[in-house]
Amino acid sequence: KQEVTQIPAALSVPEGENLVLNCSFTDSAIYNLQWFRQDPGKGLTSLLLIQSSQREQTSGRLNASLDKSSGRSTLYIAASQPGDSATYLCAALFTSGTYKYIFGTGTRLKVLA
Amino acid sequence: DAGITQSPRHKVTETGTPVTLRCHQTENHRYMYWYRQDPGHGLRLIHYSYGVKDTDKGEVSDGYSVSRSKTEDFLLTLESATSSQTSVYFCAISEAEKYPGNEQFFGPGTRLTVL
Repeated sequence: KQEVTQIPAALSVPEGENLVLNCSFTDSAIYNLQWFRQDPGKGLTSLLLIQSSQREQTSGRLNASLDKSSGRSTLYIAASQPGDSATYLCAALFTSGTYKYIFGTGTRLKVLA
Repeated sequence: DAGITQSPRHKVTETGTPVTLRCHQTENHRYMYWYRQDPGHGLRLIHYSYGVKDTDKGEVSDGYSVSRSKTEDFLLTLESATSSQTSVYFCAISEAEKYPGNEQFFGPGTRLTVL
């Protein structure tokens, strides 16, 4: 069964710290992996999309990497700010079967001022 | 932001009544998806559509049906609502199943409570 796992489920860090969020997937045959941010009571906002042929993508203070061989993606947030507090989710689009995204359950991040 | 709207945004209904949720997009994207989000389960795919009148089941499709008569609209129907269908429902769109263009964009969600 194709699964996506995010550990830890929750994380608190002081403002200014660099941090890494982890996303693991059980099947290395993926089209892409997407990172989202979700604020309480809101929808999902797309942050970064990494294609299977890419190793990383960057947007501002965010950097996402993809290692298919180890079944792992990381989201690096530099110089964290209280405004970064949210739940971060990853989703993988696997190549086998039909085109369905599988989501992790998310990491709830709190950046303390 | 991608042009995706969902209606209604909030709904309270009673067990056994039919409910229809609407997703409308202005992006002309081919793929549309319905997910539900529940604590401890993350987002789970209910149904998706890959074109007008072309739909397929996701992992939690029992008790739900969908229809897509126009590119811009994707309807989710709960034929006879049950308390286990209390959830937050999200619609998403993407342009294509393979890159480029398969980035997913989400609507604001519909909070449904079944009493």
